[in-house]
Amino acid sequence: GAGVSQSPSNKVTEKGKDVELRCDPISGHTALYWYRQRLGQGLEFLIYFQGNSAPDKSGLPSDRFSAERTGESVSTLTIQRTQQEDSAVYLCASSSYGGAALTDTQYFGPGTRLTVL
Amino acid sequence: AQSVAQPEDQVNVAEGNPLTVKCTYSVSGNPYLFWYVQYPNRGLQFLLKYITGDNLVKGSYGFEAEFNKSQTSFHLKKPSALVSDSALYFCAVSYLNTNAGKSTFGDGTTLTVKP
Repeated sequence: GAGVSQSPSNKVTEKGKDVELRCDPISGHTALYWYRQRLGQGLEFLIYFQGNSAPDKSGLPSDRFSAERTGESVSTLTIQRTQQEDSAVYLCASSSYGGAALTDTQYFGPGTRLTVL
Repeated sequence: AQSVAQPEDQVNVAEGNPLTVKCTYSVSGNPYLFWYVQYPNRGLQFLLKYITGDNLVKGSYGFEAEFNKSQTSFHLKKPSALVSDSALYFCAVSYLNTNAGKSTFGDGTTLTVKP
């Protein structure tokens, strides 16, 4: 597709349930990022994938959070036993790795708004 | 370590007036600086970035930003604001010694341009 897509756009769940969020990056982009944006706050880095390298999971807030990526395509972010504080917009971004990922422009999806009741 | 601050939660300007959205940073090495914009009900979009070279960077939609090393700032500017510029703006910083790909974002500044 033309841009990064995410699904679902909105997700309402009950406390304690597991949720899966999906991200489809721009075709050909080898780098993929997940962020969390709480209401009125900035972006909080969660996890970064680059090609076949081991992902940078340093931003995951707890072991309830995990993410997978199949090759250089779709990624899923899974939150187990959701808590109310998990309510946020979860943003996915992808970039074309130019050899120095720190300088690469990130292209963001529209986000998934997660509400945990 | 790295951090970025956007000291103003809100900036209000009249259409046609110049606008400035402030950003200051703190890194242990040479910074890479970014501005992103988030329009209502839409995802973040890249505006511009400073990697190296000229301190004045020009980006999308007529925006520009000036890298000032002595003041550790990267303020976003536009000579003449449009109502359609109203959005949430994020500054981000990364630097060479961080884990690859991990940028730190500011908390955002809401820009409101009034007709």
